[in-house]
Amino acid sequence: GDSVTQTEGQVALSEEDFLTIHCNYSASGYPALFWYVQYPGEGPQFLFRASRDKEKGSSRGFEATYDKGTTSFHLRKASVQESDSAVYYCALGEGNAGAKLTFGGGTRLTVRP
Amino acid sequence: GPKVLQIPSHQIIDMGQMVTLNCDPVSNHLYFYWYKQILGQQMEFLVNFYNGKVMEKSKLFKDQFSVERPDGSYFTLKIQPTALEDSAVYFCASSLHGTSEVFFGKGTRLTVV
Repeated sequence: GDSVTQTEGQVALSEEDFLTIHCNYSASGYPALFWYVQYPGEGPQFLFRASRDKEKGSSRGFEATYDKGTTSFHLRKASVQESDSAVYYCALGEGNAGAKLTFGGGTRLTVRP
Repeated sequence: GPKVLQIPSHQIIDMGQMVTLNCDPVSNHLYFYWYKQILGQQMEFLVNFYNGKVMEKSKLFKDQFSVERPDGSYFTLKIQPTALEDSAVYFCASSLHGTSEVFFGKGTRLTVV
């Protein structure tokens, strides 16, 4: 079946550092790809999506590019802030009758002031 | 932004008893979902629901699980009877269309003892 792999379980950075969280997927079809962010005590919040090869999604300074060749959708941010500390989930979505999201294991980002 | 409300936030129940988890989705949304997250593990799709019917369910959606949304009120997940392995956080979600942004609630932590 479909799957999403996030390489980093935890990432610790200082403010203004560059962030990369790696996401690779395996899918039989041509899925949409998503990034969600989850703050403590909250549900996952949609960050952005990309639906086609080479499409770039972005929001709040975060970005990722759909790469069908390497089956990747890596999350990057040029300069992180303490307020970015959260758990980040990569997900793929498919299904015409309602979005069925397959999530990765999540990456806990901690940003030190 | 749009909110999905889940009631209660935490429920403790004896094994073998019935439990109903309630979800108040975003008011104009048409698609509804339940996801399950066991502590320390990734979030997994259980079921999606549209136009009064289950559209797709995963292997995790056991025979003891059922969903309904009577008369446009709460979207509910019922587990009868509960088992110890049902202990998890259950997230409700909704979307306007099958391919649009999915909004999640804060989750209900279910503890089966």
